[in-house]
Amino acid sequence: EIVLTQFPDTLSLSPGERATLSCRVSQSVSSSYVAWYQQKPGQTPRLLIYGVSTRATGIPGRFSGSGSGTEFTLTISGLEPEDFAVYYCQQSGSSRSFTFGPGTKVDIK
Amino acid sequence: QITLKESGPTLVKPTQTLTLTCTFSGFSLSTSGVGVNWIRQPPGKALEWLALIYWNDDKRYSPSLRPRLTITKDTSKNQVVLTMTNMDHVDTATYYCAHQLDYGAGYYYGMDVWGQGTTVTVSS
Repeated sequence: EIVLTQFPDTLSLSPGERATLSCRVSQSVSSSYVAWYQQKPGQTPRLLIYGVSTRATGIPGRFSGSGSGTEFTLTISGLEPEDFAVYYCQQSGSSRSFTFGPGTKVDIK
Repeated sequence: QITLKESGPTLVKPTQTLTLTCTFSGFSLSTSGVGVNWIRQPPGKALEWLALIYWNDDKRYSPSLRPRLTITKDTSKNQVVLTMTNMDHVDTATYYCAHQLDYGAGYYYGMDVWGQGTTVTVSS
């Protein structure tokens, strides 16, 4: 069973700053199944990125994904007020079961 | 427009079996590549993936919860049902179902539409 680690746990930034969120996978798996989700308090998770770097429908260009092997990154190029939220990475292993990471909270500094 | 909605009991007792239903519209679970997931989130905690059923009845489960989970589909009713046996206090959570398209490696499109979630409390 793959394990996802996200760091940092919390990222305190100001609007306009760049956010870099990391996700490490315990074993090298197909990058095809890497995805990122945003969840705001009291809301349902929203798909941001799939296939490592493809933005989902309606997601602004300031969100980008990258990485390969066991290291993946979500970057928010300039934080907007609505971007302060919790972000989860997701991956699928060889057994095609899925796993979410523990999340990174991006809060206002 | 794709929509999903979870339903089931809000309160279950320890050791009981939980049965949740995901009723969806806007897609068919007989269409190639379509899957429906179940995910849960305990209060204040992270998302936890539980199970997935594909259009071809292929099923996947969380390895840690596999002995307790069963996922089934009723294509004619546009429903996916998840059962979880031997419920415990730690299973208190909001349970979500989510749609995905997956045509194999290189053609996975993420869990793109989620239901609003249903909250389940385990208490005697």
